[in-house]
Amino acid sequence: NAGVTQTPKFQVLKTGQSMTLQCAQDMNHNSMYWYRQDPGMGLRLIYYSASEGTTDKGEVPNGYNVSRLNKREFSLRLESAAPSQTSVYFCASSERQGDQETQYFGPGTRLLVL
Amino acid sequence: GENVEQHPSTLSVQEGDSAVIKCTYSDSASNYFPWYKQELGKRPQLIIDIRSNVGEKKDQRIAVTLNKTAKHFSLHITETQPEDSAVYFCAANTYSGGGADGLTFGKGTHLIIQP
Repeated sequence: NAGVTQTPKFQVLKTGQSMTLQCAQDMNHNSMYWYRQDPGMGLRLIYYSASEGTTDKGEVPNGYNVSRLNKREFSLRLESAAPSQTSVYFCASSERQGDQETQYFGPGTRLLVL
Repeated sequence: GENVEQHPSTLSVQEGDSAVIKCTYSDSASNYFPWYKQELGKRPQLIIDIRSNVGEKKDQRIAVTLNKTAKHFSLHITETQPEDSAVYFCAANTYSGGGADGLTFGKGTHLIIQP
């Protein structure tokens, strides 16, 4: 049981390049999320998917797109990378237990845009 | 949308003393409040959480309290140890019942345990 996995671990891009960050979970969770973490800013929600086939914008969606490929996989795409997208990206998935959703995070992807 | 404020941004305590981190939230509909610990270079990990129908919850040396009227919640760590040094994040979730809406996080508290 690997939990939440992310690839790649590190990536360097030039401004204008595109890339896709991959995320997969093996816990049979319905909900999946993408966050970015910047120094002093905490974790900010980019997009989420409450269930397979649905996606919704979070707090900072501009410049990103997502795909919920199936129940296990949720990818984040940067079409034209900008230096402002330099960040650490975390994927998470969650299970519902009554009124609460416990989120489990992946190890993160460190992205540098030059 | 929800807004979560967290204080202080940095907290330094002597080993063995207690540490308290405070958060406030804006949306009275929020009903779930987790706390995450993040060590340097690692992923955030859930350490304790509380639901809005509960005022206090304890797990060994850590406890969380919730005041719904004032819309604030706090993390208490007693008998602090070197391994408690990390960044701690509070969060709030407006859970509509129709599905997950994600978490709104505070900006984090860097807890430093002085030997």
